[in-house]
Amino acid sequence: DGGITQSPKYLFRKEGQNVTLSCEQNLNHDAMYWYRQDPGQGLRLIYYSQIVNDFQKGDIAEGYSVSREKKESFPLTVTSAQKNPTAFYLCASRSRGSSVKLFFGSGTQLSVL
Amino acid sequence: AQSVSQHNHHVILSEAASLELGCNYSYGGTVNLFWYVQYPGQHLQLLLKYFSGDPLVKGIKGFEAEFIKSKFSFNLRKPSVQWSDTAEYFCAVNAPGNAGGTSYGKLTFGQGTILTVHP
Repeated sequence: DGGITQSPKYLFRKEGQNVTLSCEQNLNHDAMYWYRQDPGQGLRLIYYSQIVNDFQKGDIAEGYSVSREKKESFPLTVTSAQKNPTAFYLCASRSRGSSVKLFFGSGTQLSVL
Repeated sequence: AQSVSQHNHHVILSEAASLELGCNYSYGGTVNLFWYVQYPGQHLQLLLKYFSGDPLVKGIKGFEAEFIKSKFSFNLRKPSVQWSDTAEYFCAVNAPGNAGGTSYGKLTFGQGTILTVHP
């Protein structure tokens, strides 16, 4: 089945630790996105990538980093600089030239120990 | 910068009641508008979208939304809700931006509205 796979489903971070969230898609989509979901705040864009080896900051990029070495993969690292990392993280993708319909993964819940 | 506001955080209805979820956005130019739904334990998925043309758009599962440009609104409606409509609903806006398409897919989401339908 084609789709977006996020792992792990649940992740715990210790103080001062960097953690990486995985996002893989087999939809052959060019663009990939990371959103953060907090209760009562909706979804906010962290980073996005339109093509391989290129990415741009979203609205809340501080404390996060990404890479796009392969078309299929767009991992997100939550660094120790992110002081409030507890949230639900959603990855999404879209194909170039199509409508703005995004396909979403199932998400990763990150909590701080 | 564009922003989206959903007025209701939590709506509780009985089955067969009518539903209207409010969504207002702030952006002066041309926009694309969306409603997404997240059922418990499932992925976020597209409910309906408006790009141009008829301002009354119909989506899946009997939902519809009306774009009123003068009010900067895109309210979601359903005449008769079912227990299976229990979910969180997100309104989103995208400003198409430049020809290079770098703003395509950069959706701004509202805060979300939790809908609980009692049988």
